[in-house]
Amino acid sequence: GDSVTQMEGPVTLSEEAFLTINCTYTATGYPSLFWYVQYPGEGLQLLLKATKADDKGSNKGFEATYRKETTSFHLEKGSVQVSDSAVYFCALSDYANFGNEKLTFGTGTRLTIIP
Amino acid sequence: SAVISQKPSRDICQRGTSLTIQCQVDSQVTMMFWYRQQPGQSLTLIATANQGSEATYESGFVIDKFPISRPNLTFSTLTVSNMSPEDSSIYLCSALQGRNTEAFFGQGTRLTVV
Repeated sequence: GDSVTQMEGPVTLSEEAFLTINCTYTATGYPSLFWYVQYPGEGLQLLLKATKADDKGSNKGFEATYRKETTSFHLEKGSVQVSDSAVYFCALSDYANFGNEKLTFGTGTRLTIIP
Repeated sequence: SAVISQKPSRDICQRGTSLTIQCQVDSQVTMMFWYRQQPGQSLTLIATANQGSEATYESGFVIDKFPISRPNLTFSTLTVSNMSPEDSSIYLCSALQGRNTEAFFGQGTRLTVV
């Protein structure tokens, strides 16, 4: 079945540091890929997405590129802020396979940014 | 995207009792899902709530323990039955507004069973 492997956390960085959170996937079809973020005490919010190979999703300074050849969707940000402290989840969904639109999540990476 | 309201936001329950969680979307959606997030863990899909028919459960989850209703296109409930401390989790409702659209989530229900 489909699966997502995500970089283990927690990750602690200083403000303005460069961030990479690795995510790789296994899927039988052609999945859409997502990064969701969960801020302390809140529900999940979609951060960015990509629906086909070589697509780049971006939002709030975060970027991730859908790499089919390496089955990866790594999250990057050039300069993190304290407000980026949250748990980040990589996820996939096989939207092309009707009836299989559920999300499969990675384990989540807790990111803490220190001033 | 649409907004999901989930109630209650949190509850503390006695073991052996049941709790029903409500999920209301402010517009019609095609699909609704229930996830569980155990402490410090990722999200695991419990079931897909099907309108007007029985929910589709994932491996490891059964209807007797997690009965689900979805009477229309905007509302669903999840009941956690005969609770034990192992059921202490955050339960999240999610929905899709159409094919090839991203899922959005409610704020979650934080359940503690004592």
